[in-house]
Amino acid sequence: SQELEQSPQSLIVQEGKNLTINCTSSKTLYGLYWYKQKYGEGLIFLMMLQKGGEEKSHEKITAKLDEKKQQSSLHITASQPSHAGIYLCGADKDSGGSNYKLTFGKGTLLTVNP
Amino acid sequence: GAGVSQTPSNKVTEKGKYVELRCDPISGHTALYWYRQSLGQGPEFLIYFQGTGAADDSGLPNDRFFAVRPEGSVSTLKIQRTERGDSAMYLCASSLHTDTGELFFGEGSRLTVL
Repeated sequence: SQELEQSPQSLIVQEGKNLTINCTSSKTLYGLYWYKQKYGEGLIFLMMLQKGGEEKSHEKITAKLDEKKQQSSLHITASQPSHAGIYLCGADKDSGGSNYKLTFGKGTLLTVNP
Repeated sequence: GAGVSQTPSNKVTEKGKYVELRCDPISGHTALYWYRQSLGQGPEFLIYFQGTGAADDSGLPNDRFFAVRPEGSVSTLKIQRTERGDSAMYLCASSLHTDTGELFFGEGSRLTVL
């Protein structure tokens, strides 16, 4: 079965600093999703990447899927306290691209100190 | 409300008891999903409904777990003879389509089995 490994497990940065979170898959990724979760809350969709080399941005968050489609990175520029939370990468469990049956990594806990 | 609503937000029960968790999706969303998230882990897929029917229940861990969506809107996740290992956050999500990858999650129901 596919496994997603996220690194680092946790990250503490000073407000205004840039940071990167990585997600590595044991198998080829057919759809890679980034979600954010605040403690005790549901997940909020950030971005979906499907094509090798694809890059998407939303406000100060940029996500990339590498050419071989086995690794994705999420980069936050000029971090703010509002960026704090748990970042989860998810991937389609089935190679057919179900878009709903996702397997998730364990998450990266981001703390941004003002 | 405009988002996915889950009740109860917290449920404490004793081992062996029966539990029902309710999900009210975003109005008009035909697809509904249940995920389970244990502490320190990413969410795990349980079941997916398209309309009233369970299109994919391959994630249900055993026959103690069952879910229904009789009118294609509200869904109930039912757990019989609860065990301590069932303790987790149960997350419900809905979407208009399954091809965008964007699932709208509720805040979850935290189940604790004593």
